[in-house]
Amino acid sequence: SYELTQPLSMSVALGQTARITCGGNNIGSKNVHWYQQRAGQAPVLVIYRDSNRPSGIPERFSGSNSGNTATLTISGAQAGDEADYYCQVWDSSTGVFGGGTKLTVL
Amino acid sequence: EVQLLESGGGLVQPGGSLRLSCAASGFTFSNYAMTWVRQAPGKGLEWVSGFSSSGGTTYYADSVKGRFTVSRDNSKNTVYLQMNSLRAEDTAVYYCAKVVGAGGRPSDAFDIWGQGTVVTVSS
Repeated sequence: SYELTQPLSMSVALGQTARITCGGNNIGSKNVHWYQQRAGQAPVLVIYRDSNRPSGIPERFSGSNSGNTATLTISGAQAGDEADYYCQVWDSSTGVFGGGTKLTVL
Repeated sequence: EVQLLESGGGLVQPGGSLRLSCAASGFTFSNYAMTWVRQAPGKGLEWVSGFSSSGGTTYYADSVKGRFTVSRDNSKNTVYLQMNSLRAEDTAVYYCAKVVGAGGRPSDAFDIWGQGTVVTVSS
């Protein structure tokens, strides 16, 4: 089965840039989606199909995908960005989530 | 306002059954594929099932295949998750979510999520 690998945790200083990676075999050939989940809340889609932002998501959220790594970039991180972030793809008619990355904003 | 509201969660004994419902509002329900995702306590997200706008195409995670069945009633704007032969490892918050785009295929991103319903499998 297809696996997605994310760092367990990372931290970013307030106002700096956070880059959260999602590794998978030839993930560049797949559409990658990213979700933000704040503590005690339902997930929210922040990037879909590699680099598209849903309406209402700030421009400081961006995504890229190439080779074996997809990346979610948060520019000018704010306190409200502190959350768990999950990448997700489809493989062989199966939805697959990464293990999630806990982002701490210092 | 686009909204999804899950219900039907609760405490059930191992081997028991439960049916979850997810009522949708604020969008043309019959045009969109839907999905179920769960999250065990303190764990990450796990995809459970996806199904097309008509309900004619359904996909399941290996962990629930043969035990869980999804269905939808487009006349009631509601999706269902019938869960049989429940195990302790099925304990989780269950979310339904709408699939982005009106193409009807389940294999895309999930842009609207409900608040979830808690299922606890324990004796």
